Amino acid sequence: AQSVTQLDSHVSVSEGTPVLLRCNYSSSYSPSLFWYVQHPNKGLQLLLKYTSAATLVKGINGFEAEFKKSETSFHLTKPSAHMSDAAEYFCVVSDHYNAGKSTFGDGTTLTVKP
Amino acid sequence: DAGVTQSPTHLIKTRGQHVTLRCSPISGHKSVSWYQQVLGQGPQFIFQYYEKEERGRGNFPDRFSARQFPNYSSELNVNALLLGDSALYLCASLVWGEQSDTQYFGPGTRLTVL
Repeated sequence: AQSVTQLDSHVSVSEGTPVLLRCNYSSSYSPSLFWYVQHPNKGLQLLLKYTSAATLVKGINGFEAEFKKSETSFHLTKPSAHMSDAAEYFCVVSDHYNAGKSTFGDGTTLTVKP
Repeated sequence: DAGVTQSPTHLIKTRGQHVTLRCSPISGHKSVSWYQQVLGQGPQFIFQYYEKEERGRGNFPDRFSARQFPNYSSELNVNALLLGDSALYLCASLVWGEQSDTQYFGPGTRLTVL
């Protein structure tokens, strides 16, 4: 069994300040972890993924995430928010050998203030 | 290369009707998964298909069914529509194999049931 908890349903930051979106997961096997972003009326875009290589993962648009097995966390960060980062973010867990049956968190809405 | 495509983009139906949604995966991808995203929630896994066989099913009633064709495209069918079936239906494709760890999503079909 697997589950994902996104600890904040809404996060608001000012442009140019750091972003932290928190995610805890539960998995009975070695998981693959992903962050996807969804802009309004758009599909899901892959930001980054962790698949048992380096624990610090770099993604697109300056986003990073750190896998911490002891804390079962996979938090998403960005040093400096941009207005275009405003969107819905989903943390996702799946079986390392088949991502086709993934479990999504409920999402975190990121608002970026000018 | 074309990404995952879905049709139609939007659909309006009334309660009790039947609907068919279509998905074409990325060229070379042999697995297709379907997800339902209700407003304000993360996507929920419905089905996964590979080589025309069902490889996984989420917690959805028998009114939901799917199939995959020899060209790896897929259809999702929903019978006896309920108001609660109103959602964004997402299709995702991935390469099936030892490291099939990344899904690529289509733009979705927005279904409204009146």
